[in-house]
Amino acid sequence: NAGVTQTPKFRILKIGQSMTLQCTQDMNHNYMYWYRQDPGMGLKLIYYSVGAGITDKGEVPNGYNVSRSTTEDFPLRLELAAPSQTSVYFCASREDGGNRPQHFGDGTRLSIL
Amino acid sequence: GQNIDQPTEMTATEGAIVQINCTYQTSGFNGLFWYQQHAGEAPTFLSYNVLDGLEEKGRFSSFLSRSKGYSYLLLKELQMKDSASYLCAVCSGNTPLVFGKGTRLSVIA
Repeated sequence: NAGVTQTPKFRILKIGQSMTLQCTQDMNHNYMYWYRQDPGMGLKLIYYSVGAGITDKGEVPNGYNVSRSTTEDFPLRLELAAPSQTSVYFCASREDGGNRPQHFGDGTRLSIL
Repeated sequence: GQNIDQPTEMTATEGAIVQINCTYQTSGFNGLFWYQQHAGEAPTFLSYNVLDGLEEKGRFSSFLSRSKGYSYLLLKELQMKDSASYLCAVCSGNTPLVFGKGTRLSVIA
């Protein structure tokens, strides 16, 4: 199993550009999450999904959009990139059940210049 | 709201024991996770506590006191490869996990 796969690993964007961060998992997990992590900070939840067709906002959703058309994929969209969105983005998934740990992808390092 | 506090940084000597504390205030409590994150890498799961007491996994142990809103991660026989950030995360109600800012541990010779 590949687990959680994120693409791209690195990206530089210009202010105002848009892009989609891809996340796919092959573990048939219903729960998926997008986090951002700024230097020296913990993980902040952007959006999450409890199953295909269902998405919810997290702590810092502004400037982002998501969709969940399949169980496997949970892309994160930046419409108008801003310097404040420079960060490392992690996607995670987990099995149903409150005590199940999250499995993280390797992250996407995004710089907005 | 939810609030999770951990020390920002700690330093310990190779071969020693270190305890990383985490205190939390949440409305409802369903469990507490510890994750390890090496620099430039993704977090990986270490432990989960839902009942009071100590859970031991090899060199790592995690303790929980729900009445005190307190947990710690105990690392024994420290190795250089244990240098990493350790993230405490709390699960409450039907809301997603909330992560603390993490404790950056440096293991020195």
